[in-house]
Amino acid sequence: AQSVTQLDSHVSVSEGTPVLLRCNYSSSYSPSLFWYVQHPNKGLQLLLKYTSAATLVKGINGFEAEFKKSETSFHLTKPSAHMSDAAEYFCVVSYRTNTNAGKSTFGDGTTLTVKP
Amino acid sequence: NAGVTQTPKFQVLKTGQSMTLQCAQDMNHEYMSWYRQDPGMGLRLIHYSVGAGITDQGEVPNGYNVSRSTTEDFPLRLLSAAPSQTSVYFCASRDGGVSSYNEQFFGPGTRLTVL
Repeated sequence: AQSVTQLDSHVSVSEGTPVLLRCNYSSSYSPSLFWYVQHPNKGLQLLLKYTSAATLVKGINGFEAEFKKSETSFHLTKPSAHMSDAAEYFCVVSYRTNTNAGKSTFGDGTTLTVKP
Repeated sequence: NAGVTQTPKFQVLKTGQSMTLQCAQDMNHEYMSWYRQDPGMGLRLIHYSVGAGITDQGEVPNGYNVSRSTTEDFPLRLLSAAPSQTSVYFCASRDGGVSSYNEQFFGPGTRLTVL
């Protein structure tokens, strides 16, 4: 079984300050982990992914995430928020077994607000 | 490449009506899936397919049917619409069949309202 918990449903930061969106996962197998972003009334776009290579993963638009197996976490960070970062962010876990077929489980999402 | 396309963008149905949400991808991806998105609940998997002719149920399959006769198309059928099916529906595809390593590509979504 697998599950994802996004620890904050809403995060508000000021423009130019750091962003931290927290994600914990549970998986019986070695997981693949993803962060997606969804801007209002749009589809989802991949920010970054972890697939058992480097534990620090860099993504688009200055975002990065660190896979910490001991803490079962995959938190998303950005050093300096921009107004255009305001969106919904989803943490996703998936793994492959004979019966799971690589299905994905989504967290409930974190809404990021960026104040001027 | 057009990527993943969905039609229609918006739809209003009356309770009991049926309809088909269309999804197509031009990336030759083996894996396709349908999700529904409700406020505060993330995306929940309805049905998925690991290749033409192969489909399986996801987390919330009741009230929906799918088929996969070609690699490109993966339509979602609502058999008898209910107000509880009011939601935004996303179709997604990814390469690699059962592989979990590849990211999914999402369509723009269909916003469905059932009265």
